[in-house]
Amino acid sequence: DADVTQTPRNRITKTGKRIMLECSQTKGHDRMYWYRQDPGLGLRLIYYSFDVKDINKGEISDGYSVSRQAQAKFSLSLESAIPNQTALYFCATSRSTGPDTQYFGPGTRLTVL
Amino acid sequence: SQQGEEDPQALSIQEGENATMNCSYKTSINNLQWYRQNSGRGLVHLILIRSNEREKHSGRLRVTLDTSKKSSSLLITASRAADTASYFCATDTGRRALTFGSGTRLQVQP
Repeated sequence: DADVTQTPRNRITKTGKRIMLECSQTKGHDRMYWYRQDPGLGLRLIYYSFDVKDINKGEISDGYSVSRQAQAKFSLSLESAIPNQTALYFCATSRSTGPDTQYFGPGTRLTVL
Repeated sequence: SQQGEEDPQALSIQEGENATMNCSYKTSINNLQWYRQNSGRGLVHLILIRSNEREKHSGRLRVTLDTSKKSSSLLITASRAADTASYFCATDTGRRALTFGSGTRLQVQP
């Protein structure tokens, strides 16, 4: 969905490196989310933000941090990447009113060697 | 642990057949949603059913919800090869963010 973009789309890095994944949206949504997906598994929530000044941990936040730079931007950082953080990472957005229907970016495939 | 669990984990059918996927969840919900994911791509919202609804239709999709059993089903009628994807249920409890199940991988053979 072009309304939610993620950069980079693919990244290979080494253990111990700091990595930042970026998400931008043009949907005007207040809420933004970061998920990771491992092969054969569903999505697990890392962090979410309901507005610019709001940051909340999800179920697997250890080893990750986030920054909500603006309504349209939400970045995910791996301070010191480790191999078990190899996964597909998705950003999503939703409105602050009404049902929490989410709109997903195309994903970032991260490989940590 | 996952709020929603899909069943079966994988399903293979022939084009033209119907595909049924089930989702069970644990706590009370405001609504339940189904999403589709083509291989390696972002999820796309398909349909939402509210807790006070029992059935909903959208094109070839039919969703049912049984809050007493904490379960939902997604039926895709007259399946096509292009329906090949993974399907996820997601529950909205109104407390924080959606919780996704582990998905059903559907393969539709032409």
